[in-house]
Parts: sequence; structure tokens; C-alpha cells
Amino acid sequence: AQSVTQPDIHITVSEGASLELRCNYSYGATPYLFWYVQSPGQGLQLLLKYFSGDTLVQGIKGFEAEFKRSQSSFNLRKPSVHWSDAAEYFCAVSGATNKLIFGTGTLLAVQP
Amino acid sequence: DTAVSQTPKYLVTQMGNDKSIKCEQNLGHDTMYWYKQDSKKFLKIMFSYNNKELIINETVPNRFSPKSPDKAHLNLHINSLELGDSAVYFCASSQVDRGRFVDTQYFGPGTRLTVL
Repeated sequence: AQSVTQPDIHITVSEGASLELRCNYSYGATPYLFWYVQSPGQGLQLLLKYFSGDTLVQGIKGFEAEFKRSQSSFNLRKPSVHWSDAAEYFCAVSGATNKLIFGTGTLLAVQP
Repeated sequence: DTAVSQTPKYLVTQMGNDKSIKCEQNLGHDTMYWYKQDSKKFLKIMFSYNNKELIINETVPNRFSPKSPDKAHLNLHINSLELGDSAVYFCASSQVDRGRFVDTQYFGPGTRLTVL
């Protein structure tokens, strides 16, 4: 069955520190992978996506993610976190049906 | 310009009532979706329409009925509301191009439904 696992429910980092949010997926065919961010009381905003090609993808707000097929992972990274990055982050996988399957989310808190 | 909009933003109602949530997109997309986010923030797809045709219908009670009058609108009607229907409902849209069946979904701001 298709699934996405985000092992970290809650992460706290200091402002200016680096960040890595983990995402593992289970999908039988070629996965299409996404990271979305949800600020409190807001909708979901796309950070970046991977469809094919270069396995290191760049997104908005200085985020990047690396697709590693051998590890079934698509981890999100940012070299220096800003206080405004505090939000809930969702990893998602999609296939030919265009049905997004989401992970349970990681809540990021940023300490001053 | 708002790409995907939903009304209302908040909806508080009594058990047993019937309510509708409206969604409109001005992106020119041909596919629209409804997702439900529960109290634990878990997001799950409910329905998907492509050019007014239902293409995804997950295991959702038949009290939920989506309606797409045209490809820019996808409304969600809920009959006989129950306490467990309390959630945030998100509408999304995407353009499914020929030759590539998957594309980015753009989400609306959500409708927070509270059933008392």
C-alpha cells in the first residue's frame, strides 16, 4: 500500500541553525514527491516537488530536498532557519491517479 | 489574485443539519479535489473531479456529495452532519496534462467545520 512516513512529529531548532525534516515513502511505481508547508490557520503552500531528473530539487524560501530511491526518502533541508519558518510541514507522494497521499506532518518550532 | 478560494472560511452548525462548502479556482485547471484534515492534522483525499467528471471517490459516507457545475467550481454538500465531520476541508486544483498524469495541486485556504 502507498504510504508516507514522517518520523518526527515535532522538531525544535534555533534560529540560524540548519534543518532537516525526514520523509520516507512506500510506493510501487515511480513516485512523484512533494513538500507542502502549512502555517497556523492557513492552507497548504507548495515548497518543492520532484517528478524526475536531478535528485536534488530547489524550492521556495531557501528549501531543498533530495530524492534517494535506494532509501525511499525525500528529506527536506534548509541551511539556516528563520523564525518565520515555524509551521507544519507535510511530505506527500502521488502516482498516476493524481491522488496525494500525505504523511502525518512535522511541526517545526524555531527558538530565538 | 486568489487562485483557489473557498467559502465559508468557518462553519459552525448543529448535528443533523445539511451544509455546503463552495470552492472556485481561477487557474484554468481541469481537475479539482476535496481533502479532509482531521483534528490530528492528518490529510486525506475525499474526491476528485476532472472536467466535471468524478474520477476519485474514496471511502467517504454517502452523506457527502460533491457537485461540479463547471470545471472551475467544485462544491461539497454534507447531509445529516455528525460530530465526526468536524474538520478542516481543503479544496485543491491541478492541471493534468496529456503525457504527464501528475501535476502540482494548489490548495485553498480551508473551511473549518465545527459540528455541535
